[in-house]
Amino acid sequence: SQQGEEDPQALSIQEGENATMNCSYKTSINNLQWYRQNSGRGLVHLILIRSNEREKHSGRLRVTLDTSKKSSSLLITASRAADTASYFCATVQMDSSYKLIFGSGTRLLVRP
Amino acid sequence: NAGVMQNPRHLVRRRGQEARLRCSPMKGHSHVYWYRQLPEEGLKFMVYLQKENIIDESGMPKERFSAEFPKEGPSILRIQQVVRGDSAAYFCASSPEGGQPQHFGDGTRLSIL
Repeated sequence: SQQGEEDPQALSIQEGENATMNCSYKTSINNLQWYRQNSGRGLVHLILIRSNEREKHSGRLRVTLDTSKKSSSLLITASRAADTASYFCATVQMDSSYKLIFGSGTRLLVRP
Repeated sequence: NAGVMQNPRHLVRRRGQEARLRCSPMKGHSHVYWYRQLPEEGLKFMVYLQKENIIDESGMPKERFSAEFPKEGPSILRIQQVVRGDSAAYFCASSPEGGQPQHFGDGTRLSIL
């Protein structure tokens, strides 16, 4: 079955604040990726973290991975109204297929 | 460098008709993935293909659904005898190699009347 649960399901913050989203998964993974989806559009890849990494940064994004707890978090610092979107974590499992297993997503609203 | 191109963007079919969704991967990408998304949900994997080969179809219903990625031309997701429950957004993604970040198209929104 598909795995991945994210919390919160929805998050509303003021511009300039930080946003933290969490993701849990169930099986051993090769890597974990975060994607953003604007309404009516496809997904945009944000960041990939491998199973032997614990933290990764990209611009205003910070991702952590705790394989012992099977969880990851995405932190967006100094949020902007343009960050308003749905954010999904996706895992690549430890088998030969490279399919992505998505979480249910967090809908982020950044109020100007 | 054009991204992943999907067409049509919107497709309306009546119950029992066939739906054909097309996906042209990014230039240089030989790995194609199809996902389905219901409203307010995450994407669900359907099928993973390389040129002329189906690598993993574990997420695709065994009846009515088929996919191909021929040597020439786009990848095709085909749904025969559509039913209301097939209404969803279907996304295609591509990557240059397996395990690399996937690049997504803007999807085809399928509506069944």
